[in-house]
Parts: sequence; C-alpha cells; structure tokens
Amino acid sequence: NAGVTQTPKFQVLKTGQSMTLQCAQDMNHNSMYWYRQDPGMGLRLIYYSASEGTTDKGEVPNGYNVSRLNKREFSLRLESAAPSQTSVYFCASSEGGGTGELFFGEGSRLTVL
Amino acid sequence: AQSVSQHNHHVILSEAASLELGCNYSYGGTVNLFWYVQYPGQHLQLLLKYFSGDPLVKGIKGFEAEFIKSKFSFNLRKPSVQWSDTAEYFCAVTAQSSASKIIFGSGTRLSIRP
Repeated sequence: NAGVTQTPKFQVLKTGQSMTLQCAQDMNHNSMYWYRQDPGMGLRLIYYSASEGTTDKGEVPNGYNVSRLNKREFSLRLESAAPSQTSVYFCASSEGGGTGELFFGEGSRLTVL
Repeated sequence: AQSVSQHNHHVILSEAASLELGCNYSYGGTVNLFWYVQYPGQHLQLLLKYFSGDPLVKGIKGFEAEFIKSKFSFNLRKPSVQWSDTAEYFCAVTAQSSASKIIFGSGTRLSIRP
C-alpha cells in the first residue's frame, strides 16, 4: 500500500516561478489536505477538500491554489513563488468528517530563492 | 474559528520521568481532539483521539490524554518516558460543526536524556 504519495520531494524555485505539488492517495478517502510545516509554527492548514468536488481555505491560503482533480488526487499550485513560501509541505487524507485519522505523505521540501 | 495553543515549545526530561504536555483550544462549540507525534525524519502519526464519552483517553505507546471541557484543555501524559519518545508532539482540533477542518498547534519538541 502506497498510502499518500507526494511529488516532488525536493524543489528549488526562483522568486516568481510557478510550480504544482502533486498528491495522490489510494485509501479511497473522502477528505484531503495541504499543510505547511515551519520551525516553531507547527503545521498550518493551507487548503482542504472535505469531499470530491469541494475545496475550502484553511489558515494560510494566500499565494496558493488547489485542485481536487478526482477522489484520489489533490494538487497545490504556487502561481508566483515567494521566499516566504519556503517550507515543507505535507499532503494528508482521511476518511472524512473530522473523526478519522489523518494519513500523511512524506513531505515536499520547497526552497524559494 | 477554532485554534490550538501549545505553550511548551521544548521540554527536556530524563528517562523514567513523567510527562505532561499542555494543549488548550479555543472554540465555543463541540470539538474533536487529537494528539499526533512526529519522530525524527518521519511524518506525523496519530497517538490518540477524543470525540465524546470518557474524557480520559488512552493511546498507543502508553500515552493518555484528559479532556477538561471547563479548561478547554487536552493535555498529553505519560507516566514514564523512554529515550525513544524523543519526538515532536502536536495537538489538533476540529470543530464538529466543520469537522473536516483540522487545525494543529505549534508543536512541542520533547528531548529525552538517556
């Protein structure tokens, strides 16, 4: 079982460049999430998708867009990267309803120069 | 909107010491509460969760947490820590009215001296 798979694992961008982080889960989960993890700030929710066809803003959505492509896939796009977006990004999924366990991917380390 | 505070940023203990990590949430309605652990180089995994019922919940690896509604708290405890408990611990909350929106605290780094 792959669980939650994120790509790429590492990426270096220049300020103003765009990129998309891909996430796929094979657990037939309804809900998917994007978090960023920064030292001393824990995990902050960027966007989430409670179910296929819906997306909602989290705590820090500015500068990001998401697409729930289908039940399996949830992508995160940076249209014009900024140094403040240097972080480790985690995708997660759960059965849904907030009562289930979150399953995390291995993370994507993004550096914006 | 719900929020979570973890006031202990870094806790250092010796092996066999007792552990209590604080977690306070801010939300006026009914919540679901979680503790996650992140071991060095790994991603987060669930330690325990509370939805309703007995406010004292037991999780994996000997951890437990107590929900005190009047204090808006969900502190994590372990009677005797081991070196292998060295990790970062995150409290998380979701409001039952918007149950898919799961918010994490800033985390507490736990270092255990052998």
